[in-house]
Amino acid sequence: GAVVSQHPSRVICKSGTSVKIECRSLDFQATTMFWYRQFPKQSLMLMATSNEGSKATYEQGVEKDKFLINHASLTLSTLTVTSAHPEDSSFYICSARGGGGRVAGVNTQYFGPGTRLLVL
Amino acid sequence: GIQVEQSPPDLILQEGANSTLRCNFSDSVNNLQWFHQNPWGQLINLFYIPSGTKQNGRLSATTVATERYSLLYISSSQTTDSGVYFCAVGAGTASKLTFGTGTRLQVTL
Repeated sequence: GAVVSQHPSRVICKSGTSVKIECRSLDFQATTMFWYRQFPKQSLMLMATSNEGSKATYEQGVEKDKFLINHASLTLSTLTVTSAHPEDSSFYICSARGGGGRVAGVNTQYFGPGTRLLVL
Repeated sequence: GIQVEQSPPDLILQEGANSTLRCNFSDSVNNLQWFHQNPWGQLINLFYIPSGTKQNGRLSATTVATERYSLLYISSSQTTDSGVYFCAVGAGTASKLTFGTGTRLQVTL
């Protein structure tokens, strides 16, 4: 139980293009999802908190116009990297917070498999 | 913000050995999770343990919230235990997690 999927798993794009990453909770509903970024051999850094039906909350230093987040349903959040540049190349990971039901524990975050983005 | 430090940063074990990983945090927390990140990057939930002790097979964890630390015990380690272990903590009403610096574990034959 408590499965979170991400798509795509890997993407290579040209500088200046936009890339959309999807995060889905497959067997539970998540009013809150989170987006993280991880550089090689480093820890995870929270980028933003995504709340269903409302605007995302961004961490300090994260450009909201560059990293667009939409949480249109209780099982789907999307992150769009707009006008991507080589420095945006990273491993992007989403998580979904459980609501305390049978599948997903309350306040427990469950992580997707991540998306490797390479901007050329 | 809250600071989370893990030790040791790197650990090499022979298969069958036991180990203890430590997570120190700088403020009171109401959420603490341990994760294993496998070589493909997937984070696997190990424990949700803001306080107390839990066991799951060869793994167990203890959090002493009043002293601001948590320990993860791995017994009879296997090569599949290799990867990076993270603790992550949350505080207050916000549900977000702050990740620790990680412990990179390599289990050899």
